[in-house]
Amino acid sequence: GAVVSQHPSWVICKSGTSVKIECRSLDFQATTMFWYRQFPKQSLMLMATSNEGSKATYEQGVEKDKFLINHASLTLSTLTVTSAHPEDSSFYICSARDAGRGNQPQHFGDGTRLSIL
Amino acid sequence: DAKTTQPPSMDCAEGRAANLPCNHSTISGNEYVYWYRQIHSQGPQYIIHGLKNNETNEMASLIITEDRKSSTLILPHATLRDTAVYYCIVTTYGGSQGNLIFGKGTKLSVKP
Repeated sequence: GAVVSQHPSWVICKSGTSVKIECRSLDFQATTMFWYRQFPKQSLMLMATSNEGSKATYEQGVEKDKFLINHASLTLSTLTVTSAHPEDSSFYICSARDAGRGNQPQHFGDGTRLSIL
Repeated sequence: DAKTTQPPSMDCAEGRAANLPCNHSTISGNEYVYWYRQIHSQGPQYIIHGLKNNETNEMASLIITEDRKSSTLILPHATLRDTAVYYCIVTTYGGSQGNLIFGKGTKLSVKP
């Protein structure tokens, strides 16, 4: 089945550092990928929709200058958390759909656990 | 997208069928019912989806009522590895859209 790979799975860094998270669709092309965030004991919250070759669409309350999204190819989207602070510590998860096959569900990566010290 | 209502938690004995209910009384005609589950510290895993007919795959069965206002996910023989939070999501399908809105889900605990 469709596989979405996310890297890194876990990162710890100092406050003020920028962190890049990659999301790849391994066996299909994805014109659209989605980025979610999940805080402890809460459900997933959609942050933004990443569109290949165009600007991402951000959900209300998500700072586009803080969370930079690049979707340069049909198999790769990246999320960069710029100047990360402890309140950005969270579980970041991406998902993607197979653009070439109609009526296919989104498949999720295994997430990136980000801890900012 | 239509909202869904699920019980916050359920228990199931290992080897028995787990029946997880979901209410979606405001579902519209072009909205599908999706089920995902999330095992602790992992990304959500797709289980099954349907529009109006009952569906079955290697993981589960999805029973949708005739009026489409509710559905039930059935895990026929639950194992300890099925312990997870199960999310019922209703959304439209079209092109590259169809972002998923996650509620609180049902925490299923499968016990030996």
